[in-house]
Amino acid sequence: KAGVTQTPRYLIKTRGQQVTLSCSPISGHRSVSWYQQTPGQGLQFLFEYFSETQRNKGNFPGRFSGRQFSNSRSEMNVSTLELGDSALYLCASSSFNGNTIYFGEGSWLTVV
Amino acid sequence: DQQVKQNSPSLSVQEGRISILNCDYTNSMFDYFLWYKKYPAEGPTFLISISSIKDKNEDGRFTVFLNKSAKHLSLHIVPSQPGDSAVYFCAARDTTSGTYKYIFGTGTRLKVLA
Repeated sequence: KAGVTQTPRYLIKTRGQQVTLSCSPISGHRSVSWYQQTPGQGLQFLFEYFSETQRNKGNFPGRFSGRQFSNSRSEMNVSTLELGDSALYLCASSSFNGNTIYFGEGSWLTVV
Repeated sequence: DQQVKQNSPSLSVQEGRISILNCDYTNSMFDYFLWYKKYPAEGPTFLISISSIKDKNEDGRFTVFLNKSAKHLSLHIVPSQPGDSAVYFCAARDTTSGTYKYIFGTGTRLKVLA
């Protein structure tokens, strides 16, 4: 069974640009959540989607948005990029009543 | 306001000895706790979990202990191996909003010395 797949793995963007990251969850998993990891900050929760609906949202500005499609694939978008947005963005999926979330390899974003 | 805390940013242990990683939390409503291991440039890998109704769960070399009264959990790795060198995150599941939300600590970097 394939794991969580994230694309792209690495990308470099310029300040002010926008970026879209993609996540394909484990087959059968309907919950997808996104996290940002920066040095010393652990994993900061961005948002979580289930059946195309955002169920939870972390404390990030409105420049960070996401969506989920009917096939459970999810995208997150960051607009008007700032240097501080440089981070590893992680996607995780779980089944409906799953106790465990499983992570993808992450997308490394560098903003210059 | 950090609801899940890993107060030791790093830990060094000799190969073959026990590694003990600690995690504290503030919300008594957390109902499930997990540990993840992360290598550089990779996503976190699930290691072991424990329900709030239990106080111990064991899986091979890994054991997680939960002390609800102290709001404290720990991960024991015995014996420690060089391949265990990684960053370890603890996480707690928050269901107070009626849905699942996982809150992570800032991680502890474990170095196992050969």
